[in-house]
Amino acid sequence: AQKITQTQPGMFVQEKEAVTLDCTYDTSDPSYGLFWYKQPSSGEMIFLIYQGSYDQQNATEGRYSLNFQKARKSANLVISASQLGDSAIYFCAMREGGMHTGFQKLVFGTGTRLLVSP
Amino acid sequence: DVKVTQSSRYLVKRTGEKVFLECVQDMDHENMFWYRQDPGLGLRLIYFSYDVKMKEKGDIPEGYSVSREKKERFSLILESASTNQTSMYLCASSPPGTGLKKLFFGSGTQLSVL
Repeated sequence: AQKITQTQPGMFVQEKEAVTLDCTYDTSDPSYGLFWYKQPSSGEMIFLIYQGSYDQQNATEGRYSLNFQKARKSANLVISASQLGDSAIYFCAMREGGMHTGFQKLVFGTGTRLLVSP
Repeated sequence: DVKVTQSSRYLVKRTGEKVFLECVQDMDHENMFWYRQDPGLGLRLIYFSYDVKMKEKGDIPEGYSVSREKKERFSLILESASTNQTSMYLCASSPPGTGLKKLFFGSGTQLSVL
């Protein structure tokens, strides 16, 4: 079963508009972390934002915010004021392994390709 | 700056060959990971290691093995390459105690098996 589900293979947004990229997750571990990464056409993986399962507030980093709804097991990424340089593949990921540091691993979703048009 | 180096950017091999993909990090990280990335499938974890000579299977270990003889080097081995192993392979490393919030990726190896 998919542990991280990204249902939007592709999204279009106009420059300066906001966009929400969906992510749902599945875990029975009470301690977990949720991540969003960006992969532009260059192929590098760029860390954007992190949300811990015990964090009370939604994470924000500049134009990125994570809409964390624990009961619904969703961790959507909101990009405000889209820019042309935001065109990329966006991956949602979840840290598994709980408190055992040595066994922690990151499980990724299938990604959403975002295209920002002028 | 942390550097994760993958020895080859592009690699072309024949079916049945033994293939070694090398990954080296220069920051004394305990945790190292091998992923493969395929269009529409995202990144899938093949193997990971949390210490020298330690290894754990990820979600798709079949057809692969790994070696970690030294802390800085984590090798992915395809014992007998097959065409369905054509993919982009990404290595990553992370220091302990960061909850993987600091995860550094290499630039990837695009492997084609003919």
